[in-house]
Amino acid sequence: AQTVTQSQPEMSVQEAETVTLSCTYDTSESDYYLFWYKQPPSRQMILVIRQEAYKQQNATENRFSVNFQKAAKSFSLKISDSQLGDAAMYFCAYRSRKTSYDKVIFGPGTSLSVIP
Amino acid sequence: DVKVTQSSRYLVKRTGEKVFLECVQDMDHENMFWYRQDPGLGLRLIYFSYDVKMKEKGDIPEGYSVSREKKERFSLILESASTNQTSMYLCASSFGLEPQHFGDGTRLSIL
Repeated sequence: AQTVTQSQPEMSVQEAETVTLSCTYDTSESDYYLFWYKQPPSRQMILVIRQEAYKQQNATENRFSVNFQKAAKSFSLKISDSQLGDAAMYFCAYRSRKTSYDKVIFGPGTSLSVIP
Repeated sequence: DVKVTQSSRYLVKRTGEKVFLECVQDMDHENMFWYRQDPGLGLRLIYFSYDVKMKEKGDIPEGYSVSREKKERFSLILESASTNQTSMYLCASSFGLEPQHFGDGTRLSIL
């Protein structure tokens, strides 16, 4: 069975600095998606970034980028120029591409604080 | 934009009550999901549905049931609420292999 691990329950970063959130996963499949979701306090969970396993290039969305290491089964999220609005719970997630209703497996989350 | 609406943000119920949590999406998505979110455990899948009247058990279905009579609506039912079902409940929907869209969540307290 697939698992997703986030080893940092809490992290903090100074405003305008860069922070990296770690995620590792375990799977025997070769074709899958990886996601980072953001859940601000008392607000809706939203997708930050998505990576398709067959793509070598790391995904980037504005200040958010990933370091995808397929062989190491590692998928870290880098947030550059951190802003107060980045404070949230961040979840790493995995989904197989076999069928459209495959389950999404979520990690336990990392709570990120941004210090002014 | 996709809108996933959960009927209540906060709900307080008593043990033994039958509890209904409602979720409606407005984008004709075939897939709908119910998760439970607890600190340190992330999101755990309770049930999901990939079509009207279809349902599949997730990882923690015990004590819960679901109903999907119309494509846009997916209901989670706690048959006889217990205190260990106090949690945040999240509904999500998706189309094909596209990412899931989430509702705001329902914080349920069972007293």
